[in-house]
Amino acid sequence: GENVEQHPSTLSVQEGDSAVIKCTYSDSASNYFPWYKQELGKRPQLIIDIRSNVGEKKDQRIAVTLNKTAKHFSLHITETQPEDSAVYFCAATQGAQKLVFGQGTRLTINP
Amino acid sequence: GAVVSQHPSWVICKSGTSVKIECRSLDFQATTMFWYRQFPKQSLMLMATSNEGSKATYEQGVEKDKFLINHASLTLSTLTVTSAHPEDSSFYICSARLEGASGELFFGEGSRLTVL
Repeated sequence: GENVEQHPSTLSVQEGDSAVIKCTYSDSASNYFPWYKQELGKRPQLIIDIRSNVGEKKDQRIAVTLNKTAKHFSLHITETQPEDSAVYFCAATQGAQKLVFGQGTRLTINP
Repeated sequence: GAVVSQHPSWVICKSGTSVKIECRSLDFQATTMFWYRQFPKQSLMLMATSNEGSKATYEQGVEKDKFLINHASLTLSTLTVTSAHPEDSSFYICSARLEGASGELFFGEGSRLTVL
């Protein structure tokens, strides 16, 4: 089955700097890669996703890149703000199959 | 986006009792729902896939007799934690995907279970 590895587990950056979180996946058949943001005690919220037919996707300060050959994808947050502090999870799935999550990254934005 | 509602949001129970958690898709039908468990500072771990009108599919290591799942309609799945013990204390989250769609999961609010 699918296995998703996420790094780093914790990340601290200065406000205004960029943050990058990386994930690798094992199943070459996976074709959908979402990123979720989860605040303490809340449900995960989808912030951006990418499908395997696209190499990069951007939405304002957030971007995701996908390298299918290497089986890894990354989340990029630019101009970070204090409200970006949260736990971020990557995930991977094939079609309508179950979603497998990475271990999570606790992002802290220092004012 | 689609709305998934979960109830209760938190519950405290005594060891040995059973607790039922409901997951509803409010504005769409969901043939399949997924139940996740999340321990503090850990990731979401899939427990089982709930299938409307048939038996749930459990992940390896999840006891099907302890975590009973019923998906009696296209908008409701329930998870019953039977004979709960303190180690079952966790955050349980359900999710569903729009019928025929591949990709985005919509999550319920989550249910925090504390077993005394």
